[in-house]
Amino acid sequence: GAVVSQHPSWVICKSGTSVKIECRSLDFQATTMFWYRQFPKQSLMLMATSNEGSKATYEQGVEKDKFLINHASLTLSTLTVTSAHPEDSSFYICSASLLGGTGNSPLHFGNGTRLTVT
Amino acid sequence: DAKTTQPPSMDCAEGRAANLPCNHSTISGNEYVYWYRQIHSQGPQYIIHGLKNNETNEMASLIITEDRKSSTLILPHATLRDTAVYYCIVRVIQGAQKLVFGQGTRLTINP
Repeated sequence: GAVVSQHPSWVICKSGTSVKIECRSLDFQATTMFWYRQFPKQSLMLMATSNEGSKATYEQGVEKDKFLINHASLTLSTLTVTSAHPEDSSFYICSASLLGGTGNSPLHFGNGTRLTVT
Repeated sequence: DAKTTQPPSMDCAEGRAANLPCNHSTISGNEYVYWYRQIHSQGPQYIIHGLKNNETNEMASLIITEDRKSSTLILPHATLRDTAVYYCIVRVIQGAQKLVFGQGTRLTINP
């Protein structure tokens, strides 16, 4: 159980276009989803916390107008990279927290989306 | 900022126990110790977590010192598939529940 699915697993887009990444919790409801970004040979960096039905909370230094997050249901959150540039090329990973979960409930991660902007 | 310190890399022979240390000297009473691992180009995989007591599951054992300032993840019989980056993370019990990743330990299992 506790499967998180990301789509697409990889995407190539042209500079200036927008890309949407989906994160779904397949067998559980997730009040909160987290979006991370990972550059080669680096650790995961938290970008934002997405709460169902409310605005996302962004970490310092992450542009909310560039990385649009929508969490319209308890099983789906989306990250849209707007006006993508080559420096946005990265591995984007989402994770989900079980509805009603606490710090004692593990976060479950998707398998990531590799974005390449040409 | 991550609140843990781990060695950047470790090697272990296949079939032997892999012991991965983690220092979290500033851990608070309301924080759990979590371990995840990341195999190349995949999302992190949950391994185990604990608060005060030692924990064991089908993947690993977690030994937390009595003062909770450090812990050790033990993979009892390492296989080549255990080669990954292992992250030790402290996480608050309540609130945002987010996981803040440090640099982790790159564990290489050698045949």
